[in-house]
Amino acid sequence: AQSVTQLDSHVSVSEGTPVLLRCNYSSSYSPSLFWYVQHPNKGLQLLLKYTSAATLVKGINGFEAEFKKSETSFHLTKPSAHMSDAAEYFCVVSWGASGGSYIPTFGRGTSLIVHP
Amino acid sequence: DAGVTQSPTHLIKTRGQQVTLRCSPKSGHDTVSWYQQALGQGPQFIFQYYEEEERQRGNFPDRFSGHQFPNYSSELNVNALLLGDSALYLCASSSLANVLTFGAGSRLTVL
Repeated sequence: AQSVTQLDSHVSVSEGTPVLLRCNYSSSYSPSLFWYVQHPNKGLQLLLKYTSAATLVKGINGFEAEFKKSETSFHLTKPSAHMSDAAEYFCVVSWGASGGSYIPTFGRGTSLIVHP
Repeated sequence: DAGVTQSPTHLIKTRGQQVTLRCSPKSGHDTVSWYQQALGQGPQFIFQYYEEEERQRGNFPDRFSGHQFPNYSSELNVNALLLGDSALYLCASSSLANVLTFGAGSRLTVL
């Protein structure tokens, strides 16, 4: 079985300071891992994905995440927060199911609050 | 725009009624997945359609059903609506790349 835990329901930072959103996963197989962002009243947008290539993954808008198998973690970081980064962030684990399909499992989300 | 489109964007129903939500996938995608996102929660997987067949199903009752058409578009039907069915319903399309592209969602309110 697979599961994903986002360790913080809310993270509050000041504009220009680093961002760290934490995610731990559990998967019986080598997982694919993703981070999605959801702005208010919008659909989810893919930030980045890990699919067993480089462990440090770079995404859009300056975000990156590091896959650490020994810690079963996939934390999302950004060196300097911008006001436009304020949104809900979801960590997602996915692995191959029967019939060649992939069923992503979402974490509960972390709300990123950015103060001026 | 070749992204995922969903309709309607908002709707209000009363308990016991039935609702149909629609989704057109991104151009080039052949797989459609539906998710339910309750307020303050992450999306929960309902089911996935591929080649007009339900391929995988999450932990949702039979009141939730779906369909995929030859042009890959999809419908989600919910019968005998309950107050707890109030949520944002998200459609996501994908192909072999295993990356989901989401629509903006249909917000259902059940009174």
